[in-house]
Amino acid sequence: GQQLNQSPQSMFIQEGEDVSMNCTSSSIFNTWLWYKQDPGEGPVLLIALYKAGELTSNGRLTAQFGITRKDSFLNISASIPSDVGIYFCAGQLRGYNFGNEKLTFGTGTRLTIIP
Amino acid sequence: GAVVSQHPSWVICKSGTSVKIECRSLDFQATTMFWYRQFPKQSLMLMATSNEGSKATYEQGVEKDKFLINHASLTLSTLTVTSAHPEDSSFYICSASPSGGSEQYFGPGTRLTVT
Repeated sequence: GQQLNQSPQSMFIQEGEDVSMNCTSSSIFNTWLWYKQDPGEGPVLLIALYKAGELTSNGRLTAQFGITRKDSFLNISASIPSDVGIYFCAGQLRGYNFGNEKLTFGTGTRLTIIP
Repeated sequence: GAVVSQHPSWVICKSGTSVKIECRSLDFQATTMFWYRQFPKQSLMLMATSNEGSKATYEQGVEKDKFLINHASLTLSTLTVTSAHPEDSSFYICSASPSGGSEQYFGPGTRLTVT
């Protein structure tokens, strides 16, 4: 199936550093979602974006919905040990009746914090 | 709110047997649930969309006779892996959307190992 391209594939940073990752698609989505997955767990929703150009924050996390509707980025400021995990973007094409449409996931970005 | 549970969390079965995995939305009703499969160090791949009271919609390449889906109520969907083979060993994750909503909430996943 289709997957969205995420970069970087992995990141090795020190605690306190800022993190930036992005997600691109060849097709348009009208919803972008960012999830974090810990080992052996299901993904947890971090941020949802519904409008092109939208910039949304959730604590130390900030995400933006690209103006072309084909990309999104996620920033994490002042990283802490619990930020370690795999971050996935997901695109969705919602119908006008806001039906429960399927998600297309990105390839993932693995974040590791170096002691 | 928006809690999704899965049972069992892990299962080991012999080749040729069938295994049933349950997905429940605990504090909301979900007309649509989704089943994903995730292989090690890979992203989530959608297997099928489960709609309450109707047949599931399977993604291309997913055998509907091998992966039986039943969505008998607004809070429960089941995935049965029939005649399991070692290559079916994977992490199976379900998600659910509150009726009328667009965000998907994921269960904790079920680790299936076929020996």
